[in-house]
Amino acid sequence: NAGVTQTPKFQVLKTGQSMTLQCAQDMNHEYMSWYRQDPGMGLRLIHYSVGAGITDQGEVPNGYNVSRSTTEDFPLRLLSAAPSQTSVYFCASSAGDAGHYEQFFGPGTRLTVL
Amino acid sequence: GESVGLHLPTLSVQEGDNSIINCAYSNSASDYFIWYKQESGKGPQFIIDIRSNMDKRQGQRVTVLLNKTVKHLSLQIAATQPGDSAVYFCAEFRGADGLTFGKGTHLIIQP
Repeated sequence: NAGVTQTPKFQVLKTGQSMTLQCAQDMNHEYMSWYRQDPGMGLRLIHYSVGAGITDQGEVPNGYNVSRSTTEDFPLRLLSAAPSQTSVYFCASSAGDAGHYEQFFGPGTRLTVL
Repeated sequence: GESVGLHLPTLSVQEGDNSIINCAYSNSASDYFIWYKQESGKGPQFIIDIRSNMDKRQGQRVTVLLNKTVKHLSLQIAATQPGDSAVYFCAEFRGADGLTFGKGTHLIIQP
């Protein structure tokens, strides 16, 4: 199993550009989440999904969209990138909610918005 | 507001010594806590967890202690090795709000 994979590893955008961060898992996990990690801070939840077709907002959802058309994939979209979205983005998956099931994290995507 | 935080941003220990990383939390309703290890350039990796009905839980070379009276959590690493160098995060589970992470402690191993 590849676990949780994320692409790209690095990305540089100009303000106002759009892009999609890809996340895939091959563990048949129902729960998937997106976090951002800023320097000197812990991870903050952006959006999460409890199953295909279901998504919900986390702590910092503004400026991001998600969709969950399949169990395996959970892409994160930035419609109009802003410098404040410069961060490292982590995708995670788990068999169930984080209170009862281990979350597995991807290697991250480092995004810079100029 | 309520938050999860760590007492020290950086901890330096000698190889072979025991390491203790501390974490304070303020949400008394949290009932599940997790320690993660994050190596440079990688995503967080689960180390050990503990539920609020326990005071102590042991794993391989790691022990987590929970003191609900003072809302304090600690991670003890025995016989620290160079491979233990990483940033360690505590996280608390707040039900519908999911996991809330602390800011992290950078553990540095001195030869």
